[in-house]
Amino acid sequence: RKEVEQDPGPFNVPEGATVAFNCTYSNSASQSFFWYRQDCRKEPKLLMSVYSSGNEDGRFTAQLNRASQYISLLIRDSKLSDSATYLCVVNLSGGYQKVTFGIGTKLQVIP
Amino acid sequence: GAGVSQSPRYKVAKRGQDVALRCDPISGHVSLFWYQQALGQGPEFLTYFQNEAQLDKSGLPSDRFFAERPEGSVSTLKIQRTQQEDSAVYLCASSDDRASSYNEQFFGPGTRLTVL
Repeated sequence: RKEVEQDPGPFNVPEGATVAFNCTYSNSASQSFFWYRQDCRKEPKLLMSVYSSGNEDGRFTAQLNRASQYISLLIRDSKLSDSATYLCVVNLSGGYQKVTFGIGTKLQVIP
Repeated sequence: GAGVSQSPRYKVAKRGQDVALRCDPISGHVSLFWYQQALGQGPEFLTYFQNEAQLDKSGLPSDRFFAERPEGSVSTLKIQRTQQEDSAVYLCASSDDRASSYNEQFFGPGTRLTVL
């Protein structure tokens, strides 16, 4: 089983739609969780961290479910500019910087 | 300020050739990472430096891969006797070293290596 699993998609959604991605992780000792965004042929960039209590940044909401070992990303009111690949990232130990990336979920927002 | 830079941006090598990929991290960043990203995949960890010390090289796929960061700043990833399966984008990332928590990694644009 992979350490971090994501549905690669693609998810094709119309503008204005709400879309959600899940990501599961295998190591219950994982400490920190993140969503990165990667545009086509560009480098990954941090979108948001995922906190145990859940967190929101504008149209984006991230949640963590430790019992079921998954994290989620919800995007409301999708924009064309949201089209990208969303990478789930897991850090095993808070004091050590190594992280594991998922395969990424591709989102295409359609006009 | 300047972000992470990598050179060359594109490299075409003949099978069996040696290549060297360079990474200039953000000034003052202690931690430096190399990743390999194949087409349609997420970045795969290769190796991690804290200053000049290589703390983890568990992701290097074979002994043909070697990385160094001799002065704790610029890093070079060397691949000897390249094979077709080495074709990928090689990403470098750097971060601050606030050891109490994960620190955001800032990525360079990558070097796209094609081995013919």
